[in-house]
Amino acid sequence: NAGVTQTPKFQVLKTGQSMTLQCAQDMNHEYMSWYRQDPGMGLRLIHYSVGAGITDQGEVPNGYNVSRSTTEDFPLRLLSAAPSQTSVYFCASSYSRVLSRPLHFGNGTRLTVT
Amino acid sequence: AQKVTQAQTEISVVEKEDVTLDCVYETRDTTYYLFWYKQPPSGELVFLIRRNSFDEQNEISGRYSWNFQKSTSSFNFTITASQVVDSAVYFCAASSETYKYIFGTGTRLKVLA
Repeated sequence: NAGVTQTPKFQVLKTGQSMTLQCAQDMNHEYMSWYRQDPGMGLRLIHYSVGAGITDQGEVPNGYNVSRSTTEDFPLRLLSAAPSQTSVYFCASSYSRVLSRPLHFGNGTRLTVT
Repeated sequence: AQKVTQAQTEISVVEKEDVTLDCVYETRDTTYYLFWYKQPPSGELVFLIRRNSFDEQNEISGRYSWNFQKSTSSFNFTITASQVVDSAVYFCAASSETYKYIFGTGTRLKVLA
């Protein structure tokens, strides 16, 4: 049982480049989300989804796009990378959209934008 | 809107000391859930405990215990007889019917041998 799989683990981008962070879960979870972790800021919610075809913004959505075409996948797109997007990104999923269950996290993607 | 506050940025203790990590939450919802997660130096996030807003019983699991008090909006975490392996960043989080799972800024615990 793979759980939540994030790829890549590390990425270096130049300012203005675009890329997609991949996230897949094999637990049939309804809820999926993306967080970024920065020193002293904790985990901040970027976007989330309560099911296929449904997405919404979190606390810090600017500069990021998401889509949820299947239950399993929830990619995060950076359209034009900026140094302020240097961070560690975590994808997470949960069984219930009511969020009474804990989140299952991927192992993170460390992104550096130069 | 929800908010989770972990006022302690970093705590250092000597091994075998007891330590309490504070968490204060704000929410307008009557039904909500509170969580603690651990992030060891390896970086993964590990779920420790969940509490719902209707259950104020304290819980003990080995050296870990949690104290939930609705009157003070606190959900504190105590480690008894701390060990070096407890060194990690600990996050408190809250979720509710608004589909958002909000985290505090974390407390870095250093346990010195």
